[in-house]
Amino acid sequence: NAGVTQTPKFQVLKTGQSMTLQCAQDMNHEYMSWYRQDPGMGLRLIHYSVGAGITDQGEVPNGYNVSRSTTEDFPLRLLSAAPSQTSVYFCASSYRDTYGYTFGSGTRLTVV
Amino acid sequence: AQSVSQHNHHVILSEAASLELGCNYSYGGTVNLFWYVQYPGQHLQLLLKYFSGDPLVKGIKGFEAEFIKSKFSFNLRKPSVQWSDTAEYFCAADTGNQFYFGTGTSLTVIP
Repeated sequence: NAGVTQTPKFQVLKTGQSMTLQCAQDMNHEYMSWYRQDPGMGLRLIHYSVGAGITDQGEVPNGYNVSRSTTEDFPLRLLSAAPSQTSVYFCASSYRDTYGYTFGSGTRLTVV
Repeated sequence: AQSVSQHNHHVILSEAASLELGCNYSYGGTVNLFWYVQYPGQHLQLLLKYFSGDPLVKGIKGFEAEFIKSKFSFNLRKPSVQWSDTAEYFCAADTGNQFYFGTGTSLTVIP
């Protein structure tokens, strides 16, 4: 089925470890975004991309890197995991920013 | 398969009209439910959420939603919309293992 695929679904990291959260979409969407959701805070934008080769920071970018080498993929890298990065991460894509978003199913990350 | 459905894709209302956006989920177990809003050019914000207790939950900006378990629904309502409510609205369900988002409803409020 077409959509946004996020992997892994669950991950536990130790403080200081690095990892990459994968996000792929097969709908030829230009816009892709990464959000984190924390209790009582809703979704907060980490990074976003308006097309291959173009990325920009969102509301909470510190501690994360992204790249967009292809239209389909938008990986999120945690450089040195911290307990404050324990959260649920969502990837989303859209044809344009005024169209509806399609969300991935999320990655639950725990940093111990 | 588990999912969240928002049947209204585009809604256009005049100011002061009442709003109801439909949301249905398909999951038989305990589920937490959310409504998010995305104003033009902004990221998603949490409007309200339901975990347990009173099935009528009140959120920010005069929005409320009612959880009807027998209908698997969590419809969003507002008695009188304003032009500033023009936005995209997303319903979401958390089963504890996975999040499911609806595809969103675009609301345009005409002054």
